[in-house]
Amino acid sequence: DAGVIQSPRHEVTEMGQEVTLRCKPISGHNSLFWYRQTMMRGLELLIYFNNNVPIDDSGMPEDRFSAKMPNASFSTLKIQPSEPRDSAVYFCASSRYAGGTRVQPQHFGDGTRLSIL
Amino acid sequence: DAKTTQPPSMDCAEGRAANLPCNHSTISGNEYVYWYRQIHSQGPQYIIHGLKNNETNEMASLIITEDRKSSTLILPHATLRDTAVYYCIVRVGDQGAQKLVFGQGTRLTINP
Repeated sequence: DAGVIQSPRHEVTEMGQEVTLRCKPISGHNSLFWYRQTMMRGLELLIYFNNNVPIDDSGMPEDRFSAKMPNASFSTLKIQPSEPRDSAVYFCASSRYAGGTRVQPQHFGDGTRLSIL
Repeated sequence: DAKTTQPPSMDCAEGRAANLPCNHSTISGNEYVYWYRQIHSQGPQYIIHGLKNNETNEMASLIITEDRKSSTLILPHATLRDTAVYYCIVRVGDQGAQKLVFGQGTRLTINP
């Protein structure tokens, strides 16, 4: 079975440019998560969706960051304008969620390594 | 979510059992214990989770103490490919706490 697919794997761009990261969750999963990992801050959640609806975006660092999930099989994380401090590895994860107290494990993609010059 | 404490690093010989401890003394009755690992340059990988009973799957075993204040992840026959950072996470199993809060984890090195 295909896992979570992220693209691109690597992105190098200049400060001020728009960056779009893409994620395809595992088929049948209805929760999607965006994380960011840096040496200084570790792995931190940015935003997550249930059934394509954003539930918690409290981890989004500032208004330059936005995320969308137009359908169950695709999500984007956009940074505009980008800054050098946005350089990090960005991970997407998905899981099944049916409500209640039993939360299913999250499955992660291999990430996008973003470098802003 | 309850805070967890893990040793920053551990070493284990290949073929031996690797036992990774985690303290979660403030865990609540409805909080699960989850373990993930992150191999270099890859995304985190789910290993196992439990509430109060010991659990075992094809990857590992999870031993939770009776008072639930600590747990141990056991890799029964460690291989070089098990070298990774291992994260112990506790969280409530409801929509308000779907998010995972990763600490610094334990960097496990398997030596030949």
